Amino acid sequence: DQQVKQNSPSLSVQEGRISILNCDYTNSMFDYFLWYKKYPAEGPTFLISISSIKDKNEDGRFTVFLNKSAKHLSLHIVPSQPGDSAVYFCAARKAGNMLTFGGGTRLMVKP
Amino acid sequence: SAVISQKPSRDICQRGTSLTIQCQVDSQVTMMFWYRQQPGQSLTLIATANQGSEATYESGFVIDKFPISRPNLTFSTLTVSNMSPEDSSIYLCSVVTGPAIAQHFGDGTRLSIL
Repeated sequence: DQQVKQNSPSLSVQEGRISILNCDYTNSMFDYFLWYKKYPAEGPTFLISISSIKDKNEDGRFTVFLNKSAKHLSLHIVPSQPGDSAVYFCAARKAGNMLTFGGGTRLMVKP
Repeated sequence: SAVISQKPSRDICQRGTSLTIQCQVDSQVTMMFWYRQQPGQSLTLIATANQGSEATYESGFVIDKFPISRPNLTFSTLTVSNMSPEDSSIYLCSVVTGPAIAQHFGDGTRLSIL
């Protein structure tokens, strides 16, 4: 039972344009949602989070939107830069601070 | 955020053997976790490492296969026992500091079993 899904395995975007990464979940008990970025041979790096009681959180070029009724969240990166090329994981938190991860989306930002 | 060091960074092992992975943090942390990332897959939580008591394992993972120790608030080990090629994965340690929401990860141990 995949509780967190990222349906797009890859995304290609031109430098300077917006990147939109999507994530869907099924469990209403998640209280926070997080986005991580992962480069090869490195551990995931935390980017941004959002509480389940919010619908938007912004940090610099990164904005996360949460639609609870649709059980959907998205990460917007604007403007996209070549250094943003990585695999992005959506994660959902439940009691005990445990995270459930989506399958990841590989973002490629072309110069 | 905390600096997390994992050793070894990679290893190639023979089937049937065991390997212990170490996770050292430069400050005391509230919680420590161990994850596995199989080739082409996402991260899956193996267990929560509890300080001074037995780890809490997720469904599908057992203590006999993945014994975990956490003797203090800055250090934990994960042993992968009686390894088979199916155990070839990246194993990652993560921590939570204080009341923070986010987990922070080490760079992982890339394990290959022949």
